[in-house]
Amino acid sequence: GDSVTQMEGPVTLSEEAFLTINCTYTATGYPSLFWYVQYPGEGLQLLLKATKADDKGSNKGFEATYRKETTSFHLEKGSVQVSDSAVYFCALGNRDDKIIFGKGTRLHILP
Amino acid sequence: ETGVTQSPTHLIKTRGQQVTLRCSSQSGHNTVSWYQQALGQGPQFIFQYYREEENGRGNFPPRFSGLQFPNYSSELNVNALELDDSALYLCASSSTRTDHTEAFFGQGTRLTVV
Repeated sequence: GDSVTQMEGPVTLSEEAFLTINCTYTATGYPSLFWYVQYPGEGLQLLLKATKADDKGSNKGFEATYRKETTSFHLEKGSVQVSDSAVYFCALGNRDDKIIFGKGTRLHILP
Repeated sequence: ETGVTQSPTHLIKTRGQQVTLRCSSQSGHNTVSWYQQALGQGPQFIFQYYREEENGRGNFPPRFSGLQFPNYSSELNVNALELDDSALYLCASSSTRTDHTEAFFGQGTRLTVV
């Protein structure tokens, strides 16, 4: 079945460092791909999305490109801030009833 | 837009009890999905309701059940609570059953079973 694998955390970076969180997926067809963010004590917020191959999703300085040839959707940000500390989930939706999530990557940004 | 709201925000129950969680979907959305997020894990799909009927179900036992009302709000019911049911329960609303690009999540209900 469909699945998402993302790098395990926690990831600890200093403020203004470059961020990459790796995500790969297994799916039939052409799923939509998502990154969600969960701040402490809160629900899920959609960070960015891409619906077809080579699409780049972007929001709040974060970017991810839908790479069908490598089945990847890595999350990147050029300069992280303390306020980016959160748990990040890679996910896919494959035109059925559910979203499939990875296990999440906890990000700590040190001032 | 009113957003997706869930109630209560926190709940403590005893093993063997029953619990009902509630979700109000975003205005204009007719589909509600429920997810269970155990500590340190990603959300797992429980089931989806579309126009008051269950449209799909994940790998959860029958003691997890739900309802959707004519205004598209929804309830998640869990009977015979077990310790492992302790988790954050999230609901998501969307305007279609299969296109998740416009799904919106609520803040969740944190259930603790003791």
